Amino acid sequence: DGGITQSPKYLFRKEGQNVTLSCEQNLNHDAMYWYRQDPGQGLRLIYYSQIVNDFQKGDIAEGYSVSREKKESFPLTVTSAQKNPTAFYLCASSIVGGPYNEQFFGPGTRLTVL
Amino acid sequence: AQSVAQPEDQVNVAEGNPLTVKCTYSVSGNPYLFWYVQYPNRGLQFLLKYITGDNLVKGSYGFEAEFNKSQTSFHLKKPSALVSDSALYFCAAMNTGFQKLVFGTGTRLLVSP
Repeated sequence: DGGITQSPKYLFRKEGQNVTLSCEQNLNHDAMYWYRQDPGQGLRLIYYSQIVNDFQKGDIAEGYSVSREKKESFPLTVTSAQKNPTAFYLCASSIVGGPYNEQFFGPGTRLTVL
Repeated sequence: AQSVAQPEDQVNVAEGNPLTVKCTYSVSGNPYLFWYVQYPNRGLQFLLKYITGDNLVKGSYGFEAEFNKSQTSFHLKKPSALVSDSALYFCAAMNTGFQKLVFGTGTRLLVSP
C-alpha cells in the first residue's frame, strides 16, 4: 500500500453522527483522492484535490466534506446528511502533470453505520 | 461520458492455465488505461498501464495486457495462473483531461489448485 496510511481501519458510526476518516501520504504527491467502494459497483470518486487549499467534488460528493490544509493530509468527513454511508473508503494519491500517472492507494477504512 | 465495462463478474481458471480478464472502454480522445488488483480488505495495487506505443503492455507479477483500439478493449492476461492470483481485478480509464479515473465494476478471479 505504499506510503499512504488510512485510519482507522474499521469505524462504526451511529446514525446522526459525523465521522472523519484520516488519510496521510509521504510520497510528496500533489494530488489526492477519496473513493467509495460498494460491492458490485467498483470505485466511485467522492472528492479530489490537486493542490493544497483546493479541492473539487467528484461524482458522489453529497453528504461528504474534505479539507486540504497540508500537502500530505486529506481527511474526509462523512456527515449525517449521507444517507447510506456504510462502505469501504479508499484514499489515493498521484503525481500531477499528466493523465498517465497511476494512483497509489491506501489500505482503506471500512465504515459501518449501527 | 467515459465508461469502463468488465463483462464478467467472476473468472474461474485452474492453476497453470492461461487466464484472461476482459475490459472494454469508452473514452474521448486518446485512452490511458490501467489495471489494478485488490486483495480482501486491502487497497488497490497498480499492475500495469497503457499510454501509447506497443499494444502489449507488461506489468507486475507476470501479468500483461493487450490494447486493441478497433475493439476498444484492454484485456488482462497471464500465461500461467497461480492460486495466489485469486483477487478482485479492476480496469480503469482516464482521458486527456483531468486525472479522473473511471473504474469498471471489477472481476473476481478464482484460481483453483
